[in-house]
Amino acid sequence: DTAVSQTPKYLVTQMGNDKSIKCEQNLGHDTMYWYKQDSKKFLKIMFSYNNKELIINETVPNRFSPKSPDKAHLNLHINSLELGDSAVYFCASSPPGTLGLQETQYFGPGTRLLVL
Amino acid sequence: AQSVAQPEDQVNVAEGNPLTVKCTYSVSGNPYLFWYVQYPNRGLQFLLKYITGDNLVKGSYGFEAEFNKSQTSFHLKKPSALVSDSALYFCAVRPSYGQNFVFGPGTRLSVLP
Repeated sequence: DTAVSQTPKYLVTQMGNDKSIKCEQNLGHDTMYWYKQDSKKFLKIMFSYNNKELIINETVPNRFSPKSPDKAHLNLHINSLELGDSAVYFCASSPPGTLGLQETQYFGPGTRLLVL
Repeated sequence: AQSVAQPEDQVNVAEGNPLTVKCTYSVSGNPYLFWYVQYPNRGLQFLLKYITGDNLVKGSYGFEAEFNKSQTSFHLKKPSALVSDSALYFCAVRPSYGQNFVFGPGTRLSVLP
């Protein structure tokens, strides 16, 4: 069973389009995250959500917006796509609870976005 | 500013030899330290973490890491490398409860048969 899943796996689109990437976790975790990994493999956190509230919002363009319809889902919407948005986007989740448990993240397989 | 450094972009080691992937960090307070591994076209997988207690932490697939507070390091080690260990390894730090994870730039490990 997939713990953290993302769709689509690959996304090729034109500049200026609006697209969404979906993320679902079946681990019962409270916190979910979005990361961007660029072509040099640098990994940067974009957003995190805890119980449907945005608790960390990194300095990403407001063209990017996370939306969480429920605790198990955190979708990433991107408006007016730009060439520089091409990257691999990873969703992750982490459990609630005591010190130590809180800190481990479980990652999805990634969505490879290519903007032409 | 909080940061994580992995000074080697690439580490090459022969199968059966010990391996070390280095990580140093710069954060305030008591950090939580992690290692993740990324295989080609896959998401990151958790290997091990240091939260508190014994400085030597053992994790998945025979990996271990040693927390050294005075040197602000958390090097990843394995006594005998396997070809299947070839992957991209990320060190990550969480400065304190509730704050962001900060990932290092990654080190590509190649284990040669």
